[in-house]
Amino acid sequence: IVMTQTPLSSPVTLGQPASISCRSSQSLVHSGGNTFLSWLQQRPGQPPRLLIYQVSNRFSGVPDRFSGSGAGTDFTLKISRVEAEDVGVYYCMQATQFPYTFGQGTNLEIK
Amino acid sequence: EEQLLESGGDLVTPGGSLRLSCTGSGVNFRDSWMSWVRQAPGKGLEWVARIKSKNSGGTKEYGAPVEGRFTISRDDAKNMLFLQMDSLKTEDTAVYYCTRDHFTWGQGTRVTVSS
Repeated sequence: IVMTQTPLSSPVTLGQPASISCRSSQSLVHSGGNTFLSWLQQRPGQPPRLLIYQVSNRFSGVPDRFSGSGAGTDFTLKISRVEAEDVGVYYCMQATQFPYTFGQGTNLEIK
Repeated sequence: EEQLLESGGDLVTPGGSLRLSCTGSGVNFRDSWMSWVRQAPGKGLEWVARIKSKNSGGTKEYGAPVEGRFTISRDDAKNMLFLQMDSLKTEDTAVYYCTRDHFTWGQGTRVTVSS
């Protein structure tokens, strides 16, 4: 399954919202009914960190300014108000079918 | 707090072998599906291999670029995950992350394949 993210780079003003889109080459609805689409954040020099799983569930410790939505093949990560610590690369990832695959990554930077 | 710690990364010549280890703490290791994910320098993330829990059959699966060369295994008694890498190629150069079903990630260990 090919995951395609847009945009690949996103300059954002502090305090303003940001949005990243992710499209899969086929439906991510698993035979069991769940949709295994996740979002990960990778800050500079750090390992990836899970933000959102199964489309819209925030992982433990993730601020509520992060939210995920979507269905089928189209998904979105939104940050309601960007903070300086949000700088990094964001990846969507599908875990519906092995091999799990990632989007190319979106580089979030501050204007 | 869940933690994963990788080790074993090194500089190796093409055609050589390397064994990576990952130790989990604060993790329900036995019931977890564990994986290795890699990131080549300046590139994105690539899933390498996955091993299901023994309760789920212990199935091992591999990404196409490493199939037949890498072997994933686990020792639940020691909370450890392994990746045996044989016939290494320059394109295997990357930071290798251990992950518990993509929920928890280690800091990574660097593998460099170069002559």
